[in-house]
Amino acid sequence: EAGVAQSPRYKIIEKRQSVAFWCNPISGHATLYWYQQILGQGPKLLIQFQNNGVVDDSQLPKDRFSAERLKGVDSTLKIQPAKLEDSAVYLCASSSVAANNEQFFGPGTRLTVL
Amino acid sequence: QKEVEQNSGPLSVPEGAIASLNCTYSDRGSQSFFWYRQYSGKSPELIMFIYSNGDKEDGRFTAQLNKASQYVSLLIRDSQPSDSATYLCAVNNNYGQNFVFGPGTRLSVLP
Repeated sequence: EAGVAQSPRYKIIEKRQSVAFWCNPISGHATLYWYQQILGQGPKLLIQFQNNGVVDDSQLPKDRFSAERLKGVDSTLKIQPAKLEDSAVYLCASSSVAANNEQFFGPGTRLTVL
Repeated sequence: QKEVEQNSGPLSVPEGAIASLNCTYSDRGSQSFFWYRQYSGKSPELIMFIYSNGDKEDGRFTAQLNKASQYVSLLIRDSQPSDSATYLCAVNNNYGQNFVFGPGTRLSVLP
């Protein structure tokens, strides 16, 4: 079974630029999560999708962050414009009821904003 | 704001000892509790989950939950150097929503 795929693995941009991350969950997993993990901290949930609907986006900074999962499969997370404090690892995870809602994480995208 | 708290560590234990990791949470509506392990530069991976008060054992790992005290712990028996990692506690509500991670405790097992 293929795991959660993410791209790119690394990205360096300057502040005020835009960036997008892509995630392909495990096949059949209805729930998809985007997390932000700042160095030395635990992951912070940004948005949770159930199929193509948003379940929780209460901690998503909506003035600059957006995410979509149009066909209920893969997802993109965008930051526009980026700030220095957005430097972090962005983790995508997926889960299914059949697997006890265990979250499987992708390798993450390390973003550096200069 | 729902909070999950953990001692940041580092917690150092000798090889073969028992490592005890603790976690407290603020939301009494939390129903599911998870322990993840995260090696440096890697993604979190699930060790175990617990839903009911009491103990749950899986190999060298035991999770303990006390909902009245809003406390969950993880015991690692016969600690190995390969257990050296950051251990993240996470909670969510009964609908699989409101997932909140703690800051993690860094464990170092000394050979």
